[in-house]
Amino acid sequence: NAGVTQTPKFRVLKTGQSMTLLCAQDMNHEYMYWYRQDPGMGLRLIHYSVGEGTTAKGEVPDGYNVSRLKKQNFLLGLESAAPSQTSVYFCASSSSHLPGNEQFFGPGTRLTVL
Amino acid sequence: GNSVTQMEGPVTLSEEAFLTINCTYTATGYPSLFWYVQYPGEGLQLLLKATKADDKGSNKGFEATYRKETTSFHLEKGSVQVSDSAVYFCAHRMNRDDKIIFGKGTRLHILP
Repeated sequence: NAGVTQTPKFRVLKTGQSMTLLCAQDMNHEYMYWYRQDPGMGLRLIHYSVGEGTTAKGEVPDGYNVSRLKKQNFLLGLESAAPSQTSVYFCASSSSHLPGNEQFFGPGTRLTVL
Repeated sequence: GNSVTQMEGPVTLSEEAFLTINCTYTATGYPSLFWYVQYPGEGLQLLLKATKADDKGSNKGFEATYRKETTSFHLEKGSVQVSDSAVYFCAHRMNRDDKIIFGKGTRLHILP
């Protein structure tokens, strides 16, 4: 199993550009999450999904959109990138069948918006 | 509301020293508790967990005990190594909830 994978690993955007980050998991997990990690802020939840075709807002959803068309994929979109969105983005997945519902994380995407 | 508070870092220790990283939580019920570790340039990975009061989670020489009376889940290791240098996150998840609440992380530096 590859676990949770993220593409791309690195990206540089100019202000106003758009892009999509892809997260894929091969563990048949129902739940998937997108976080951003900034210095001194820990992890903040952007959006999450409890199943195929469903999404919900997290703590910091503004400026992002998500889609979960297939159970194994969770896409994070930036329609008009801003410098405040410079961050490291992590995807995670979990299952209600796991004791304690631990989350499995991808390796991260480092995004810089100029 | 639900939250997790952990000691601020960075924490710098010499190799073979004893480690404690404090973590306390607030919750309306009895959550599952976790410690995650993030090595440089990588994503988070689960270090240990405890799902009910008085449970002790352990892994790689690290331990943490679920203390309901003090709402704490402090991370300890008797003898740290340089390879333990990382950022450690305390977290909790309410049972039947979808989301994990993370602390802000504690950066640990171990000097040889």
